[in-house]
Amino acid sequence: EPEVTQTPSHQVTQMGQEVILRCVPISNHLYFYWYRQILGQKVEFLVSFYNNEISEKSEIFDDQFSVERPDGSNFTLKIRSTKLEDSAMYFCASSDPSPSSRSKRGASDTQYFGPGTRLTVL
Amino acid sequence: SQKIEQNSEALNIQEGKTATLTCNYTNYSPAYLQWYRQDPGRGPVFLLLIRENEKEKRKERLKVTFDTTLKQSLFHITASQPADSATYLCAPQETYKYIFGTGTRLKVLA
Repeated sequence: EPEVTQTPSHQVTQMGQEVILRCVPISNHLYFYWYRQILGQKVEFLVSFYNNEISEKSEIFDDQFSVERPDGSNFTLKIRSTKLEDSAMYFCASSDPSPSSRSKRGASDTQYFGPGTRLTVL
Repeated sequence: SQKIEQNSEALNIQEGKTATLTCNYTNYSPAYLQWYRQDPGRGPVFLLLIRENEKEKRKERLKVTFDTTLKQSLFHITASQPADSATYLCAPQETYKYIFGTGTRLKVLA
């Protein structure tokens, strides 16, 4: 069964450094997402991406964050200058919406999550 | 402000019993509500989606109800097994920003 993959599984960085988290979504999927989960807390939406541009982003996704689909397979999340509070598990997800799954009030397509990258900022 | 509430305390039940998890939401009018399972250190896994015009949805041992008047969804696992032990997340969707509840940790005791 196709799956979303993420690399690295664990990233340790110093505060102020830039990190790039990588994801390979399921190949025929069209929507891509990043989430984060601080230890012991809930899964938080960061951003969704469709047709090579951001379609939605949360208040968390400030100028420190950027996303890119540099080629036909990878989807990346860059954090420009990491802070201690960026330490979290970062999940990538992808979905393949059918024509009827999108409406003005949200989407019913299933999101498939990757295994996550644990980011530790020291 | 929009709020999703799930039982913050862990739910322990005996194997073979039915587990019932609750998701309440306020200041939301979701068109869809999804339930996910999350195991420790892993990404969420989609289980079921229910639409606002559906009262109930079933999949094998899982059943979800959606009461838009009460602003509540119930998630049932019948004939529970130790392998069902995990955290279960609800995600009511009103827009394309996917908001998850904090989750309820379920432990099925053998």
